[in-house]
Amino acid sequence: QSVLTQPPSVSGAPGQRVTISCTGSSSNVGAGYDVNWYQQFPGRGPKLLIYIDSNRPSGVPDRFSGSKSGTSASLAITGLQAEDEADYYCQSYDNTLNGYVFGTGTKVTVL
Amino acid sequence: QVQIVQSGAEVKKPGASVKVSCKTSGYTFTNYAIHWVRQAPGQRLEWMGWINVGNGNTKYSQKFQDRVTFTKDTSATTAYMGLSTLTSEDTAVYYCTASMTTFPGTWFDPWGQGTLVTVSS
Repeated sequence: QSVLTQPPSVSGAPGQRVTISCTGSSSNVGAGYDVNWYQQFPGRGPKLLIYIDSNRPSGVPDRFSGSKSGTSASLAITGLQAEDEADYYCQSYDNTLNGYVFGTGTKVTVL
Repeated sequence: QVQIVQSGAEVKKPGASVKVSCKTSGYTFTNYAIHWVRQAPGQRLEWMGWINVGNGNTKYSQKFQDRVTFTKDTSATTAYMGLSTLTSEDTAVYYCTASMTTFPGTWFDPWGQGTLVTVSS
């Protein structure tokens, strides 16, 4: 099954910059489909963080940013804060599965 | 403010069926599609399909299409997900979420709080 691959975990000290990669294939990210990102705290539903590769919904701090190139996308968190400790998922569409796919998820730890 | 509230946790025996509800408010119900996404313990999110609550059209993920049914009650602004022939592998938190379109590349916002379905003998 086609999946979007993310690193299991990333960590950083408060104030640092961390990035999360999301590696897809020619049937999803590489086919030009938009990538969206979600933040999830334990026991809670996901929250939209970035849509259409790099756009922030109202209320999302500008320390979160997204980008996409080729078959991969990235989420960057600059000025890392303790409240950013959560799980992060990328999401796109896959034309082989003819449906939506999520990344494997990344746990961000603030040291 | 758009809100989604789901029904409470369920415990089912193998082979049984479950029906989860998704009550929406704060927007025009028929202007959105409702998607269902599940998350098994410690696992990633998994998309199950969508229902266009405006016209009732549905699309199911290939993995679930033989066992899942999406319905809606427009007057109650509520969507439902039914899953049959449950096994232990269906133990998961089931989320409903909304999207403004069903086109590829759409995003999901907002999300419900999730409904834990436990399948155990």
